[in-house]
Amino acid sequence: NAGVMQNPRHLVRRRGQEARLRCSPMKGHSHVYWYRQLPEEGLKFMVYLQKENIIDESGMPKERFSAEFPKEGPSILRIQQVVRGDSAAYFCASSSTSSGSTGGELFFGEGSRLTVL
Amino acid sequence: KQEVTQIPAALSVPEGENLVLNCSFTDSAIYNLQWFRQDPGKGLTSLLLIQSSQREQTSGRLNASLDKSSGRSTLYIAASQPGDSATYLCAVASGTYKYIFGTGTRLKVLA
Repeated sequence: NAGVMQNPRHLVRRRGQEARLRCSPMKGHSHVYWYRQLPEEGLKFMVYLQKENIIDESGMPKERFSAEFPKEGPSILRIQQVVRGDSAAYFCASSSTSSGSTGGELFFGEGSRLTVL
Repeated sequence: KQEVTQIPAALSVPEGENLVLNCSFTDSAIYNLQWFRQDPGKGLTSLLLIQSSQREQTSGRLNASLDKSSGRSTLYIAASQPGDSATYLCAVASGTYKYIFGTGTRLKVLA
């Protein structure tokens, strides 16, 4: 059973370009979370999605950032018109149930490291 | 608003020592608490999950306890080894079901 798969592992973009980060959850998992980690800092929640629905996007900047988890295919975190401050590691996690129910254990991918030049 | 704090921020111990990492949270109405380890440049590895109805969980040399009323969890590592060197993160699920993370404890076990 493959774990959470994220790609690309490393991405370099110039200011103003778009970055697309992909996350395939563990098999059977329908809950996906995206987190951002700045160097020497903790993980900051960005967005929580279930299939075809955004449940909580309170941690995601209102502009330039968007996320989706379609019925088929991976979850996508999209950053438009990137700026240097977007440079960070972006982690995806999945779970089989909501974290508010029995179980709800999070499993993380290896992350996508975005560098904006 | 849930806030999670981990103390100490960094810890250096000789091999073989037993140690305790602390995690505190401000809102005791939690669903789950999960401990992770993160190696440099890597993702997070789940260590232990404690559900709100549980008091502790054990896996090998690791034991995690939860005291919801005081807003605290501890991770006990027995007979530490150099391979245990990593950053340990505590995360709490509450409110709208998202996990909130502490800033971690960076552990170094000296051979």
